[in-house]
Amino acid sequence: QSALTQPASVSGSPGQSITISCTGTSSDVGSFNLVSWYQQYPGQAPKLIIYEVTKRPSGVSHRFSASKSDNTASLTISGLQAQDEADYFCCAYAGRSTYVFGTGTTVTVL
Amino acid sequence: QVRLVQSGAQVKKPGASVKVSCKASGYRFTDSGMSWVRQAPGQGLEWMGWISAHNGNTYYGQKLQGRLSMTTDTSTDTAYLELKSLRPDDTAVYYCTRDEDFGDHILPFQFWGQGTLVTVSS
Repeated sequence: QSALTQPASVSGSPGQSITISCTGTSSDVGSFNLVSWYQQYPGQAPKLIIYEVTKRPSGVSHRFSASKSDNTASLTISGLQAQDEADYFCCAYAGRSTYVFGTGTTVTVL
Repeated sequence: QVRLVQSGAQVKKPGASVKVSCKASGYRFTDSGMSWVRQAPGQGLEWMGWISAHNGNTYYGQKLQGRLSMTTDTSTDTAYLELKSLRPDDTAVYYCTRDEDFGDHILPFQFWGQGTLVTVSS
């Protein structure tokens, strides 16, 4: 399985909205509504922020939203804040109890 | 609360094997499975595989098939990852991670260990 493709970096000013794409194939992103997103700060373990394409776990800010179209999933961060500066990874179920992660995107708040 | 506590950092020579442990607490160990994810320095996350703590069934990623072994010890609520024939590009932080199952929906990789750095160098 090849890693899902994400842009290496995305940046925005405080208060702006940014969107991170995650492109897979018809065997993973396109086949199942089981795309999740993770936020990771340096030196820390990832944290789940989106599951089942659009759902937020309890306690995750409403500024995080996500969607999917065909083989591409997207994460949008609205009202960008300094604390959003982190790495973001998408992940998709790929069938047969296997998963594939994205290449990761570094978000910079200007 | 759910806790996953991993063993400490290790340095190995190419060709050697490494075994990383992940001790679970705060839930019934055999009710769930455990995934392992690794992250090379400055790189992305790589899903390695999953093991059922209930019956030991495993699913491994294709890339590491043949070198990877996941096991559990239900007497100590501990999951183990063993990687053989180590290469320098196996240098990474290795994480154990567990889903949170609510029955009608699952939060994937909701709980994470603190990570174990494995360095492969001659």
